Amino acid sequence: GESVGLHLPTLSVQEGDNSIINCAYSNSASDYFIWYKQESGKGPQFIIDIRSNMDKRQGQRVTVLLNKTVKHLSLQIAATQPGDSAVYFCAERSNDYKLSFGAGTTVTVRA
Amino acid sequence: DAGVTQSPTHLIKTRGQQVTLRCSPISGHKSVSWYQQVLGQGPQFIFQYYEKEERGRGNFPDRFSARQFPNYSSELNVNALLLGDSALYLCASSLLQSTDTQYFGPGTRLTVL
Repeated sequence: GESVGLHLPTLSVQEGDNSIINCAYSNSASDYFIWYKQESGKGPQFIIDIRSNMDKRQGQRVTVLLNKTVKHLSLQIAATQPGDSAVYFCAERSNDYKLSFGAGTTVTVRA
Repeated sequence: DAGVTQSPTHLIKTRGQQVTLRCSPISGHKSVSWYQQVLGQGPQFIFQYYEKEERGRGNFPDRFSARQFPNYSSELNVNALLLGDSALYLCASSLLQSTDTQYFGPGTRLTVL
């Protein structure tokens, strides 16, 4: 798999490898975090979410990790497929219920 | 089940004109939020409406306004369009205001010439 220690705007992954996408959030009061996937010409699609009282949550082929100490969020995608190519956004929810989005990471899957 | 729908899909306007964008939430959802997404950036929050009342507003000028109807659909209006208003306008719906998951529509691509 390919590990990214800092947030990078792009990530190239070999098909079948694991992907790790990182995100730093800004508001220590945020209590809820979401990962969205956005394909070209489409709206963001919900992938997985996690509340601030959790450190890890797993879905189908995806895992989200939350480190509140350093305000860091990551999305792990297992066995990356060509259909996983997209822009991935992390979003945090603050007390006023709006979502604040990160800059996004463009994932390209190599055949 | 139908997801969030938005109309029109694409729109071309000239500077100074006014535009109205429409959104229908997922059936049963009572909250609608609007976001602006400039090319290459993440969505930026504009408004949230719940039960026909504005519950939140982002850092956008008064040229931007919105409303929610009794059937929970919503309109976003932008007056005196500027070139910088060119963007993808996204609508998201959630079951209740306090419900966390927001589901997005496909967006309306606005181009201001």
